[in-house]
Amino acid sequence: SQKIEQNSEALNIQEGKTATLTCNYTNYSPAYLQWYRQDPGRGPVFLLLIRENEKEKRKERLKVTFDTTLKQSLFHITASQPADSATYLCALPPTSGTYKYIFGTGTRLKVLA
Amino acid sequence: DAGVTQSPTHLIKTRGQQVTLRCSPKSGHDTVSWYQQALGQGPQFIFQYYEEEERQRGNFPDRFSGHQFPNYSSELNVNALLLGDSALYLCASSMYQETQYFGPGTRLLVL
Repeated sequence: SQKIEQNSEALNIQEGKTATLTCNYTNYSPAYLQWYRQDPGRGPVFLLLIRENEKEKRKERLKVTFDTTLKQSLFHITASQPADSATYLCALPPTSGTYKYIFGTGTRLKVLA
Repeated sequence: DAGVTQSPTHLIKTRGQQVTLRCSPKSGHDTVSWYQQALGQGPQFIFQYYEEEERQRGNFPDRFSGHQFPNYSSELNVNALLLGDSALYLCASSMYQETQYFGPGTRLLVL
């Protein structure tokens, strides 16, 4: 079955720096991959979707890359701010004929002022 | 445009009791999925409802059941609560399956 891995250790960075979060997956060739932000005790908020034929996608200070050969997606936040502190989840879409999304455990980001 | 809403926000129950959680999807969405999220973990898929039918189920026991109403709102029922059922329960709605929009969640504590 497909597996998805995110660095479960928290990532602490200084304000203004670029944060880079990693999502690796196995046993699957997804048509797309999604990134969500989750604040403590709240539901995940959709951020970005990147398709298999897109190498990179940007939204404001966010950038996502998708390497289908490495089976990896990288999520970057440039010019990070303390307000960016949250847990970031990546998610694989359902396999053909199914409806079940697979979420990673998330990486907790803390941006230090 | 109201997003996904869930009720209640918090709930405390004792072992063996039953609980019902409610979800109203985002306007225009016809598909509702339920997830369980334990502390420090990612959301785990419980099941998905579409056209008032359970379309797929995750690896959860039959104690977990659900329902979808004609207006697309949904309920999650958990019977014979166990301590391990303590978690954040998330509802997500979607249209055409691609992007899910999550509600704020219901925090369930089983004592």
